[in-house]
Amino acid sequence: SQQGEEDPQALSIQEGENATMNCSYKTSINNLQWYRQNSGRGLVHLILIRSNEREKHSGRLRVTLDTSKKSSSLLITASRAADTASYFCATDARRDDKIIFGKGTRLHILP
Amino acid sequence: DAGITQSPRHKVTETGTPVTLRCHQTENHRYMYWYRQDPGHGLRLIHYSYGVKDTDKGEVSDGYSVSRSKTEDFLLTLESATSSQTSVYFCAISAGNGYTFGSGTRLTVV
Repeated sequence: SQQGEEDPQALSIQEGENATMNCSYKTSINNLQWYRQNSGRGLVHLILIRSNEREKHSGRLRVTLDTSKKSSSLLITASRAADTASYFCATDARRDDKIIFGKGTRLHILP
Repeated sequence: DAGITQSPRHKVTETGTPVTLRCHQTENHRYMYWYRQDPGHGLRLIHYSYGVKDTDKGEVSDGYSVSRSKTEDFLLTLESATSSQTSVYFCAISAGNGYTFGSGTRLTVV
């Protein structure tokens, strides 16, 4: 069963604009993670935010977490063509160190 | 990705044959995972391991078995391949602060 659900499923924006993706989940979590997947490749870990954190930054990435709403957002600022990829959220809902992925958001940066 | 490799990268096999996929890590991590990725389903956990000879089922474990006789190797076996097991299979390792994924194995069952 899917724990996280990303929204939107697909997003196209102009290069230089900001991209925002959202993730909603169902149960209490220990942490939430965001991953990027380029076409035909494995997933790359971007950022992890713990349940007691509200915001985290990494370069052009900003992640927020609202545990009261069971939601997270990933903001990519000043998008580049290289940001074209699928983005997945994943939640760690139990203490057995396994995470459940959402279905992803496909981001396309237009030149 | 550095530290984790999957083999083979591509495989075509016939329905009913057994298939084994290999995941090898050089990071000495305790936790290893097998996922499959299909359009419309995202990544789904097949099996995972939390140590040598310690494994557990994920959400889509039917038709699959795993073995971990050494820390560095985690094998996924399709006991009798079916067309519904055509997929891309990813192995991952965890150090507790995010997963590192292999490059995947594209398996086609004909």
